[in-house]
Amino acid sequence: GESVGLHLPTLSVQEGDNSIINCAYSNSASDYFIWYKQESGKGPQFIIDIRSNMDKRQGQRVTVLLNKTVKHLSLQIAATQPGDSAVYFCAENRDKAAGNKLTFGGGTRVLVKP
Amino acid sequence: NAGVTQTPKFRVLKTGQSMTLLCAQDMNHEYMYWYRQDPGMGLRLIHYSVGEGTTAKGEVPDGYNVSRLKKQNFLLGLESAAPSQTSVYFCASKPAQGAPSHQPQHFGDGTRLSIL
Repeated sequence: GESVGLHLPTLSVQEGDNSIINCAYSNSASDYFIWYKQESGKGPQFIIDIRSNMDKRQGQRVTVLLNKTVKHLSLQIAATQPGDSAVYFCAENRDKAAGNKLTFGGGTRVLVKP
Repeated sequence: NAGVTQTPKFRVLKTGQSMTLLCAQDMNHEYMYWYRQDPGMGLRLIHYSVGEGTTAKGEVPDGYNVSRLKKQNFLLGLESAAPSQTSVYFCASKPAQGAPSHQPQHFGDGTRLSIL
């Protein structure tokens, strides 16, 4: 799920199927991770988060998995709907100092085919 | 509850002009952030603030200044705009650390800025 310059990785998925979006993070000391959804012309919208003391967290139709051994984060969307078409970003809280600054990945575009 | 509101939504500037982007939040959040987003890329942190009267540099602070005179407002200034500053700018806010310790940032819908 890392972008390279202008070319966002794209995941095409059939409506009703499950989607899995992957993200590799770099800092083993990161203690908090978030997934955001961004629709065209809008700001990032919070989907789900997970702390580093967990390996799985579920929300409504979404599940985040955290594998600290390989520094990998994934977002699973069940029964993908047309409204799920967007760009998805993972973010990690690397900096435990003042500010709780987040570092964002490059994003993955999800296209839902009817 | 409007959340995070950014003004203006769009702006076109000429090289060398100055302008200020306004971010306002009504959630009584302590922390506020300014990011830029370039085509096909994630967000990069410009400056941030952990409270009224305090600001700090982020990842890409050059060419920008900020002020946090009131808790609810965070201003981003471009003193002398350059074409490289053409981007979409996003503001975000969150409660202070320890309330509880991790909370997601809440984002506005952005300001699209073009520098000619």
